[in-house]
Amino acid sequence: DQQVKQNSPSLSVQEGRISILNCDYTNSMFDYFLWYKKYPAEGPTFLISISSIKDKNEDGRFTVFLNKSAKHLSLHIVPSQPGDSAVYFCAASDRNYQLIWGAGTKLIIKP
Amino acid sequence: DAGVIQSPRHEVTEMGQEVTLRCKPISGHNSLFWYRQTMMRGLELLIYFNNNVPIDDSGMPEDRFSAKMPNASFSTLKIQPSEPRDSAVYFCASSSSSRGAYEQYFGPGTRLTVT
Repeated sequence: DQQVKQNSPSLSVQEGRISILNCDYTNSMFDYFLWYKKYPAEGPTFLISISSIKDKNEDGRFTVFLNKSAKHLSLHIVPSQPGDSAVYFCAASDRNYQLIWGAGTKLIIKP
Repeated sequence: DAGVIQSPRHEVTEMGQEVTLRCKPISGHNSLFWYRQTMMRGLELLIYFNNNVPIDDSGMPEDRFSAKMPNASFSTLKIQPSEPRDSAVYFCASSSSSRGAYEQYFGPGTRLTVT
């Protein structure tokens, strides 16, 4: 039973264009959502988060959108840069200690 | 800050041997997590410590796995005896959020290969 789903295993985007990574969840008790970025041979690094009381959070080139009615969130990267090539994980929490993780989406930025 | 430190970075061992993975969390963080990442199952939480006390070990696969946190700056994950199916990357993460472990900071991981 996957409570957090990232349905696209990979995504290829041209450098300079917008990258949109999607995440769906099933548990309406989730109240905090995070995006992590992972390079090969490294641990995941925290990227950006959003509380369920908001529908948008922006940090530089990264924006996360939350649609609670659709139980959907997305990460927008504008403009995409070669260094953005990585695996992106969506994670959610229900006020507990545990993060529920998606399977990840591999983003490839083409020069 | 040095971040979360894990050792060793790579471990190759034979089936049946004991394996000990080590973690030093970020100073001041009071929550520590051990994860395992495999191709088949993705990122799985094995155990969670808060203030050095194990809170939830329901993710530990079986009795062959054990974890300790003797003080705020050190934790170990031990597998005895190891099996080939234990081959994976093991991550340690720490957090300081008082409301929960929302923003976790990960170490570089230990790649374990059991032959």
